[in-house]
Amino acid sequence: EVHLVESGGGLVKPGGSLRLSCAASGFTFRNYSMNWVRQAPGKGLEWVSSISNSSSYIYYADSVKGRFTISRDNAKNSLYLQMNSLRAEDTAVYYCARTSDTWGQGTLVTVSS
Amino acid sequence: DVVMTQSPLSLPVTLGQPASISCRSSQNLVHRDGNTYLTWLQQRPGQSPRRLIYKVSKRDSGVPDRFSGSGSGTDFTLKISRVEAEDVGVYYCMQGTQWPPAFGQGTKVEIK
Repeated sequence: EVHLVESGGGLVKPGGSLRLSCAASGFTFRNYSMNWVRQAPGKGLEWVSSISNSSSYIYYADSVKGRFTISRDNAKNSLYLQMNSLRAEDTAVYYCARTSDTWGQGTLVTVSS
Repeated sequence: DVVMTQSPLSLPVTLGQPASISCRSSQNLVHRDGNTYLTWLQQRPGQSPRRLIYKVSKRDSGVPDRFSGSGSGTDFTLKISRVEAEDVGVYYCMQGTQWPPAFGQGTKVEIK
């Protein structure tokens, strides 16, 4: 069974950093592009970043460009999101998603002083 | 960037009755490869999103056949033929034809 499990969320002060991880299982991770999507409390879905299967292509939403870095380790079947210079408006549940067909349970990031 | 607009944003329905959600894109979603990458997602209360429909009308495995997707170009529709209690939640359309991917605002389906 295809499975994605995010971790690394938590409470961080404005300007702080956090690294999210997503552990994949049940499929050949190295064959798929992967994405991060977030959902602010009570709001809709917002695409954050994507990375191709070999990391050759990387894309970011304008709202996080220059602050967030997506990466992956195909040997460890893992996806990452390094988040720096965090702002209150980055507060959200962050989902790891394989294209759009499989989603993790999400990890909550709260940016507050 | 492509903008996705859903309507209505709130949809009270009676159990057993049909429901329909509209999604319009600001640009044509036909990819140069000939496919239209329009997806419908369901998010039940307290759960992660789940894909129901991809490429406009292809139902995912395990999705009840009361869900159907249709449309082309810039206008798309998700229909539920007979709403059941488990269908309560928020439904999102999403385009994957052009970068960046974009979601509609979501339509909240609730039981009257």
